Amino acid sequence: ELKVEQNPLFLSMQEGKNYTIYCNYSTTSDRLYWYRQDPGKSLESLFVLLSNGAVKQEGRLMASLDTKARLSTLHITAAVHDLSATYFCAATANTDKLIFGTGTRLQVFP
Amino acid sequence: GAVVSQHPSWVICKSGTSVKIECRSLDFQATTMFWYRQFPKQSLMLMATSNEGSKATYEQGVEKDKFLINHASLTLSTLTVTSAHPEDSSFYICSASTFRDEKLFFGSGTQLSVL
Repeated sequence: ELKVEQNPLFLSMQEGKNYTIYCNYSTTSDRLYWYRQDPGKSLESLFVLLSNGAVKQEGRLMASLDTKARLSTLHITAAVHDLSATYFCAATANTDKLIFGTGTRLQVFP
Repeated sequence: GAVVSQHPSWVICKSGTSVKIECRSLDFQATTMFWYRQFPKQSLMLMATSNEGSKATYEQGVEKDKFLINHASLTLSTLTVTSAHPEDSSFYICSASTFRDEKLFFGSGTQLSVL
């Protein structure tokens, strides 16, 4: 059974700092997703990673995937307040059924 | 524009009543849709997989008689919460299966509050 774990659960960081969110999954997954959720809103798709070594970047966010370690990371560079949100990773194995991580609540303060 | 539309976005109902939530794929045909539930400050939990023209597949622990799913067409799936109780209050989100841009798209979500 596929399980997905994320850490940290909560992250408070100062503007301008860098940090990484980690996502581990328990069994082989063919796709790894990252989503952003603002309070009371649905999910906004950030990245989808399909193969080992895949790296995608958009703005201050960069996601990577290591399928051998069953690990994906979401790196935040020079954080700004607008990045405050909850970030979820999700994995899927041979279907479109997503198994979500616990989520990381990110708070960026001045 | 939105790829997946969900309606209503917010509903308040009395305990014991039934509530129907609609999920529509606007510009593609979705043979499969998924329904998730999210409690405050928690992750999303898959409830069921909705298959067009056949019975839904429910995840372990989800009462199929309480959460009725109908996927009568390739663009519409509905989730009916029957005899709702306060513990059913939650944020419900649907997603539709498409490989457009290698992404899965989610509806806007429905906040259900049962009094």
